[in-house]
Amino acid sequence: DGGITQSPKYLFRKEGQNVTLSCEQNLNHDAMYWYRQDPGQGLRLIYYSQIVNDFQKGDIAEGYSVSREKKESFPLTVTSAQKNPTAFYLCASSMSTGEFPASSYNSPLHFGNGTRLTVT
Amino acid sequence: AQKVTQAQTEISVVEKEDVTLDCVYETRDTTYYLFWYKQPPSGELVFLIRRNSFDEQNEISGRYSWNFQKSTSSFNFTITASQVVDSAVYFCALGGNKLTFGTGTQLKVEL
Repeated sequence: DGGITQSPKYLFRKEGQNVTLSCEQNLNHDAMYWYRQDPGQGLRLIYYSQIVNDFQKGDIAEGYSVSREKKESFPLTVTSAQKNPTAFYLCASSMSTGEFPASSYNSPLHFGNGTRLTVT
Repeated sequence: AQKVTQAQTEISVVEKEDVTLDCVYETRDTTYYLFWYKQPPSGELVFLIRRNSFDEQNEISGRYSWNFQKSTSSFNFTITASQVVDSAVYFCALGGNKLTFGTGTQLKVEL
């Protein structure tokens, strides 16, 4: 079955450590996204990518980094510079049907199950 | 600037009751898309529906229905005869020059 796989489901780290969250999709989607979800807040966009080797900052990119070396993979690194890293992280993908990023804002997103990161 | 407001933070109903989740949006775009997503306890958001700004026709899918009213900038979601499996957080989202999510409504359906 096609879908998005995020791993691990739960992740615990000490403050000051970098940590990488995995996201893999087999939907053949061009566009991939990382969102952060905090209690009582909507989803906030961290980074997005339309094609391999290209990605753009979202609304809250500070303290995060990404790579897109393969179409299927879009890992997110939470660096020690991120002041409040404890959150629920969701990876998503979508078809890109035209000029990016506008087209991705009218395409349904397919989400993974998320990774809950706790930093102490 | 875009904005999506889901004023209902949490709703509790008894099974078989009808429930409406409100969504009000703000945008200056003339062309835009509206979405509803469901987030069950497992965490994954599931796409439910997409409407574009030119199509105000209401839609029904089984027990789900959506009422899009451009005049009031609203895109409300009604679940008829709610079931325990409907318990989840529901997000409304607006796609225009960017994608903006509301803060979600937690729906609890009890026996």
